[in-house]
Amino acid sequence: DVKVTQSSRYLVKRTGEKVFLECVQDMDHENMFWYRQDPGLGLRLIYFSYDVKMKEKGDIPEGYSVSREKKERFSLILESASTNQTSMYLCASSPKLSGVKRTAQYFGPGTRLLVL
Amino acid sequence: AQSVTQLGSHVSVSEGALVLLRCNYSSSVPPYLFWYVQYPNQGLQLLLKYTSAATLVKGINGFEAEFKKSETSFHLTKPSAHMSDAAEYFCAAGRTYGGSQGNLIFGKGTKLSVKP
Repeated sequence: DVKVTQSSRYLVKRTGEKVFLECVQDMDHENMFWYRQDPGLGLRLIYFSYDVKMKEKGDIPEGYSVSREKKERFSLILESASTNQTSMYLCASSPKLSGVKRTAQYFGPGTRLLVL
Repeated sequence: AQSVTQLGSHVSVSEGALVLLRCNYSSSVPPYLFWYVQYPNQGLQLLLKYTSAATLVKGINGFEAEFKKSETSFHLTKPSAHMSDAAEYFCAAGRTYGGSQGNLIFGKGTKLSVKP
């Protein structure tokens, strides 16, 4: 079974703090993704990566950065947390295959972040 | 722009009744299509995926979905609802164009409630 783990299930931070959210997958997947989930808005893609050291902006990258130093690990960084970044953050991965196997993503349990 | 629309943010059914969750996609080319389920405080779990091999797709937990190209729809059904089906359901489509081809576009989700 694909296993995607996230470092924290719940996190409380103060405005202005630097926040690191870690994601690790154990299936040797090339592709990794970070989403935020907000009620009524569904999932929105923040950043993604198709390979080590590689990153691409998603639909809402402002206020975030990412790091991918190892294949299995993809970190999301909030440089200076703000209250409007209070959300559920979901990490996902998928293999570098063609067709539907490449598109089907496997998700971690999520990190619920509260910024005060 | 490519999009996924889920009709109804909340659906309520009685235990034993038919479950029907609606999803329409917009794309000139039929994309790969997916349904995910999210139980409270958990990540997303893949329910089923459409690969063009068959228009009726069976998934886990007794769910199935039918792809109808003429209606650009991929509705999710289950003949008889169980209390354990109460969750949020997301329809997603693979992007069919551009540099992020293959990335998923999500609908806003439908929360399913099951009454005893």
